[in-house]
Amino acid sequence: ETGVTQTPRHLVMGMTNKKSLKCEQHLGHNAMYWYKQSAKKPLELMFVYSLEERVENNSVPSRFSPECPNSSHLFLHLHTLQPEDSALYLCASSQDRTGGGNAEAFFGQGTRLTVV
Amino acid sequence: KQEVTQIPAALSVPEGENLVLNCSFTDSAIYNLQWFRQDPGKGLTSLLLIQSSQREQTSGRLNASLDKSSGRSTLYIAASQPGDSATYLCAVNDYKLSFGAGTTVTVRA
Repeated sequence: ETGVTQTPRHLVMGMTNKKSLKCEQHLGHNAMYWYKQSAKKPLELMFVYSLEERVENNSVPSRFSPECPNSSHLFLHLHTLQPEDSALYLCASSQDRTGGGNAEAFFGQGTRLTVV
Repeated sequence: KQEVTQIPAALSVPEGENLVLNCSFTDSAIYNLQWFRQDPGKGLTSLLLIQSSQREQTSGRLNASLDKSSGRSTLYIAASQPGDSATYLCAVNDYKLSFGAGTTVTVRA
């Protein structure tokens, strides 16, 4: 148990569907992250939330829409995805990045997304 | 832009042999470096965190060194076991985590 829980673990969706990924952390952290891991590629940072404010958006297409209602929860809303969006989506949390970035990051188990 | 490279990409060793995994990064202005383990289809498990002011960090059979000035870190795993088979990822924190592509390790029984 890493303290970061992601649901669902697996998701298959059509290109016209709307779905959401959920992440919850029980570590008292106040920074949360979404990463994408495609086959044979390094992890790509998608979004960063610090103190519930989005502080980074790494040129992610608008069909991915993050939401951070409080410091413990993070969502990734998915809409009209493409097959190339199929990947493992990982959520992570750490202490507030403004504290100098020394905090250790903890990851969830990921959601395996398949777009058909 | 920070570039993180891990060599080798894959490694296969007999049980009991020591493992040496290498990580290099291009910008030495980092806060810390973190080593992770990833099993197939699973999330990342944090193994070791080395702060920029530290030279090494140890946990059980694992030892990680950091030479910030030369942009290198090495993860040593002593007396490898089949359960050590996984992909090992290095991540450099320069206000955000930048990952290498990983080293996939197979320990043969």
